[in-house]
Amino acid sequence: EAGVAQSPRYKIIEKRQSVAFWCNPISGHATLYWYQQILGQGPKLLIQFQNNGVVDDSQLPKDRFSAERLKGVDSTLKIQPAKLEDSAVYLCASSLAVAASQETQYFGPGTRLLVL
Amino acid sequence: RKEVEQDPGPFNVPEGATVAFNCTYSNSASQSFFWYRQDCRKEPKLLMSVYSSGNEDGRFTAQLNRASQYISLLIRDSKLSDSATYLCVVSLYNFNKFYFGSGTKLNVKP
Repeated sequence: EAGVAQSPRYKIIEKRQSVAFWCNPISGHATLYWYQQILGQGPKLLIQFQNNGVVDDSQLPKDRFSAERLKGVDSTLKIQPAKLEDSAVYLCASSLAVAASQETQYFGPGTRLLVL
Repeated sequence: RKEVEQDPGPFNVPEGATVAFNCTYSNSASQSFFWYRQDCRKEPKLLMSVYSSGNEDGRFTAQLNRASQYISLLIRDSKLSDSATYLCVVSLYNFNKFYFGSGTKLNVKP
């Protein structure tokens, strides 16, 4: 079974530029998550989708971050404009069940973002 | 106050040792608990879920103490391959909110 795919794997941009990340979850997984992991910290949930609806985006900095999951499959996360403190690994995860709290989250390899 | 707190370590132990980590959570309404493992520069992977009655998977034992709001992970007969960062994860069931701790780093030495 194919895992969660993410691209690009690495991205270097200058502050105030825009960047977008793409995620393709495991086939059939209803729930998709985007996390931000800063070096030395645990992943922080940015946004959670259930099919194509947003379940939780309370920790998403909405002035600069946006995400969508059209058709309930692939998802994109965008940052515009980027700040130095956005340098982190952006992890996408998916889980099978609609009632997701008891289900395993499968993570993709992440996108490493460096903002200069 | 952080939702989930862990001792960052590192815990440096010899092969064959037994080591235990604790993780405390702040919200008494938390419903689901997990331990994830993260290798250096890799993605997190589920190690085990933590059930109210406690559960064991080979050399790994997880316990939940709701009264004191902490979960624990015990690793027996440590292997070199157990070297990793162990992340504690808590979720509020109905809200589907997941909170990760910052992780506890384990180094198993020959």
